[in-house]
Amino acid sequence: QAVVTQEPSLTVSPGGTVTLTCGSSTGAVTSGHYPYWFQQKPGQAPRTLIYDTSNKHSWPPARFSGSLLGGKAALTLSGAQPEDEAEYYCLLSYSGVWVFGGGTKLTVL
Amino acid sequence: QVQLVQSGAEVKKPGSSVKVSCKASGGTFSSYTISWVRQAPGQGLEWVGRIIPILGIANYAQKFQGRVTITADKSTSTAYMELSSLRSEDTAVYYCARAGSTDFDYWGQGTLVSVSS
Repeated sequence: QAVVTQEPSLTVSPGGTVTLTCGSSTGAVTSGHYPYWFQQKPGQAPRTLIYDTSNKHSWPPARFSGSLLGGKAALTLSGAQPEDEAEYYCLLSYSGVWVFGGGTKLTVL
Repeated sequence: QVQLVQSGAEVKKPGSSVKVSCKASGGTFSSYTISWVRQAPGQGLEWVGRIIPILGIANYAQKFQGRVTITADKSTSTAYMELSSLRSEDTAVYYCARAGSTDFDYWGQGTLVSVSS
């Protein structure tokens, strides 16, 4: 089974910009992996932020965006807010079998 | 509005099995994929498998092959995840998630399965 890698932790200043990445042990991440990004806060179920690389779900504010960058999936947060502090998980599809990354703990400080 | 309500917490002995349910209300049950995702205490998310109720076809993460069975009862709009040969490492919160505009639009509240002798 493929391994999906994310930065374990990142810190961003309020109002700053940060990019989280999501790599695959099998090679470059492409749109064919249908990358998802989820946000999870303590004690809560995950929520879908981004699907199919760059499509935003109905709820995330405009400061969140998804893309492919340097062979990885990327989640960019522009203008971080204190409420964005959370764990972020990417998810990739390998021919219908989904694999989560280990998650990135994002601190807004 | 779609809601997923999962069964209550379970305490199991090593080697036994557990069956967690996920009852959907609102929307059309059969047409949308239901996935199961677990999260061990303090750990990340792990995809277990999914089912397409209208087809009755399920697929699983390689790690759980042979140990997990996901089923769906269209008559009661309920999906089930049964995990056998339980070990302590299976202690986790198990979530069901239903597709909508995305594959993971709606989430259940989670079910804690504790495995301990």
